[in-house]
Amino acid sequence: GQQLNQSPQSMFIQEGEDVSMNCTSSSIFNTWLWYKQEPGEGPVLLIALYKAGELTSNGRLTAQFGITRKDSFLNISASIPSDVGIYFCAGHRSYGGSQGNLIFGKGTKLSVKP
Amino acid sequence: DGGITQSPKYLFRKEGQNVTLSCEQNLNHDAMYWYRQDPGQGLRLIYYSQIVNDFQKGDIAEGYSVSREKKESFPLTVTSAQKNPTAFYLCASSFGAELYNSPLHFGNGTRLTVT
Repeated sequence: GQQLNQSPQSMFIQEGEDVSMNCTSSSIFNTWLWYKQEPGEGPVLLIALYKAGELTSNGRLTAQFGITRKDSFLNISASIPSDVGIYFCAGHRSYGGSQGNLIFGKGTKLSVKP
Repeated sequence: DGGITQSPKYLFRKEGQNVTLSCEQNLNHDAMYWYRQDPGQGLRLIYYSQIVNDFQKGDIAEGYSVSREKKESFPLTVTSAQKNPTAFYLCASSFGAELYNSPLHFGNGTRLTVT
């Protein structure tokens, strides 16, 4: 089946550092979503991207929909301890389309040292 | 407060037993979903339902069953036919079944351990 390659698998950073992670696909995706999951909880939507080249911010988080439609990036600026968690990308090949066809990456586990 | 409630948080069962995981939402969402999460893995879709009394298989439906008799409720039964049932199960809902502008809202999950 379709897969999303998310990297890095894990990151250990110092508080205050910027973070960058990405998701790539061998197929074109027309919707990219970024979720954060904290320990013992369900994922929460951070940013949704629907257009190639789109750059969207949510506080210290910025996500971009790659111009090739085969990748997406998430950046976190000036990390703080509460940024700890697993960040998932998710993609869909159609504009809109059923969420039954949403594909998730394997996640990037972020650890922040105070 | 509106949200999705999954219960129980932790569930232990003996091999060979069926077990049902509860998922209730009061968000008035039409669509509901069940995902399975294993360590180091992304979320994999088990079943989803776009409307009451209708549901579709996801990528890994074998060994699972669901029902959608009420809009608010979408219970998942893990049957004895599921070869590796130990996992973290996440229920989600969305206002509509279409992706655009209708993000998934997740519950806090049920961790099932089968021994």
